[in-house]
Amino acid sequence: NAGVTQTPKFRVLKTGQSMTLLCAQDMNHEYMYWYRQDPGMGLRLIHYSVGEGTTAKGEVPDGYNVSRLKKQNFLLGLESAAPSQTSVYFCASSPDRVSNQPQHFGDGTRLSIL
Amino acid sequence: AQSVTQLGSHVSVSEGALVLLRCNYSSSVPPYLFWYVQYPNQGLQLLLKYTSAATLVKGINGFEAEFKKSETSFHLTKPSAHMSDAAEYFCAVSDPYSGGGADGLTFGKGTHLIIQP
Repeated sequence: NAGVTQTPKFRVLKTGQSMTLLCAQDMNHEYMYWYRQDPGMGLRLIHYSVGEGTTAKGEVPDGYNVSRLKKQNFLLGLESAAPSQTSVYFCASSPDRVSNQPQHFGDGTRLSIL
Repeated sequence: AQSVTQLGSHVSVSEGALVLLRCNYSSSVPPYLFWYVQYPNQGLQLLLKYTSAATLVKGINGFEAEFKKSETSFHLTKPSAHMSDAAEYFCAVSDPYSGGGADGLTFGKGTHLIIQP
């Protein structure tokens, strides 16, 4: 029972490079989220999806794009990486729109932009 | 807009002492509230949640929290700290009536709990 799996776990990029972070969940959850965690800032929502084929912006969406082509996968893309995007990225999922359902988190992707 | 304030970025207690981590929220409607714990190099794990049922909520690992509407607080407590409790703790709020807008949790900035032997 894997839950939420993020790949890769670590990555170092040069400024201007692009990459895609993959999140996969095996719980058949409708809702998926991407957060970034920075020291002293807590977690901030980047983008989220309320179902296959849908995406929406969160609190800090600039510089990122997302796609949800399959229900179980939620991809986060950086088209042109910037040092300000150095962070730990967390994916989460939850079963439905009812807000009392807790979100299940992956173990994170640690991304450094040089 | 909702927000969460966690008082104290670092809290240090002795092993066996009471743990108290403070969380205050701001919300236009009665919210749902969560406490998560994060161990080093891991994701977030749910400790407990408040969803408008009992105001005293018991969670895993001996933690509990009390929802106080008059104080807009949801403080986390544990009677006796263990070394294994050393971690980062996050309070989060969710709007139960969210629709159309950002749908996700709003997190506090976190409190790092240090356990002294």
